[in-house]
Amino acid sequence: KAGVTQTPRYLIKTRGQQVTLSCSPISGHRSVSWYQQTPGQGLQFLFEYFSETQRNKGNFPGRFSGRQFSNSRSEMNVSTLELGDSALYLCASSPGLAGSYEQYFGPGTRLTVT
Amino acid sequence: QQQVKQSPQSLIVQKGGISIINCAYENTAFDYFPWYQQFPGKGPALLIAIRPDVSEKKEGRFTISFNKSAKQFSLHIMDSQPGDSATYFCAASKSGYNKLIFGAGTRLAVHP
Repeated sequence: KAGVTQTPRYLIKTRGQQVTLSCSPISGHRSVSWYQQTPGQGLQFLFEYFSETQRNKGNFPGRFSGRQFSNSRSEMNVSTLELGDSALYLCASSPGLAGSYEQYFGPGTRLTVT
Repeated sequence: QQQVKQSPQSLIVQKGGISIINCAYENTAFDYFPWYQQFPGKGPALLIAIRPDVSEKKEGRFTISFNKSAKQFSLHIMDSQPGDSATYFCAASKSGYNKLIFGAGTRLAVHP
């Protein structure tokens, strides 16, 4: 089975712009979670989507949003970028069913805001 | 209530030695405790995980020890190898929530 794929792998944006990141989960997995990784704050949960619905949400401002499509692929959007949004954005794939807990991460998208 | 505290921040071990990383949690509702390994430029890779109904789980050279009463769990890497040099993260979550709360990470260096 192919693993989790994320595109693009690297992105440079200017403060004030918006950005969209994409994640394709492992085939058959219905849950996609997004995490932000920074040297200062570590790994922080953004949100989780399951069957096209946001199921869980972390403590991030409304500038961070996401969606999931019927094929389980997910996108994450950050509007009005700030310098502090520079981070590695990771998506994690999971079956999403009761009793299944494992999450498998993609390689991440490295976002740099200048 | 949501924190997971991980120690040490960094660890140097000689080849063949035992690496031990510790984590403590606060929220007693957590019931899934995975460990992830991350190499530079890569995403975290699931290494091993445990549920609170067992006190120990072993997979190859990797063992998780779990102490429910102390709200602590640890990762032991036996016969550590230079290829194990990476950053290790513990995490916790609770049933029905695919929301992992991560520790701050431990940078492990295994010297030949």
